[in-house]
Amino acid sequence: KAGVTQTPRYLIKTRGQQVTLSCSPISGHRSVSWYQQTPGQGLQFLFEYFSETQRNKGNFPGRFSGRQFSNSRSEMNVSTLELGDSALYLCASSPEGYNQPQHFGDGTRLSIL
Amino acid sequence: SQQGEEDPQALSIQEGENATMNCSYKTSINNLQWYRQNSGRGLVHLILIRSNEREKHSGRLRVTLDTSKKSSSLLITASRAADTASYFCAPNQGGKLIFGQGTELSVKP
Repeated sequence: KAGVTQTPRYLIKTRGQQVTLSCSPISGHRSVSWYQQTPGQGLQFLFEYFSETQRNKGNFPGRFSGRQFSNSRSEMNVSTLELGDSALYLCASSPEGYNQPQHFGDGTRLSIL
Repeated sequence: SQQGEEDPQALSIQEGENATMNCSYKTSINNLQWYRQNSGRGLVHLILIRSNEREKHSGRLRVTLDTSKKSSSLLITASRAADTASYFCAPNQGGKLIFGQGTELSVKP
């Protein structure tokens, strides 16, 4: 079975731009979660989507948004990029319920100049 | 604030030795998951222990969970140089994994 696939792997943007990151979950997985990893703040939960609905949300400003499609693929969007948005963005998928492992992709490394 | 707090922050051992990492958390959880991360890569899922379980094994890994003390431990036996990585515990609070800063494990050949 293919793992979680995130594209692109690397991205360079400038302040004020917006960016869209993509995540394809493991086949059959319906839940997709997004996390941000930075050296200062560590790994932080952004949001979770299940059956095209946001089921959980972390403590990030409204510039961070996401969506999930009917095939469970997910995208996250960050608008008006700031230098502090430079991070590794990780996507994780799990089958359905909360008592199942979340499997992560290799992430998208976003650098803001 | 972070919920999963790992201890120690860094651990250096020789190949063949055992490595023990501890984790504490603050609120009630559905389960607790342990992950490994090699530099700049994604997280590799190691083991999930449910809130009603006390101990779980997977190969050279042994995880314990004490919900009364809100703590967990990960034991890696007979460590190998390839085990060198950062290890994170992630208490699962209603679908949200809440990570700490991790333990950096270095296994010297």
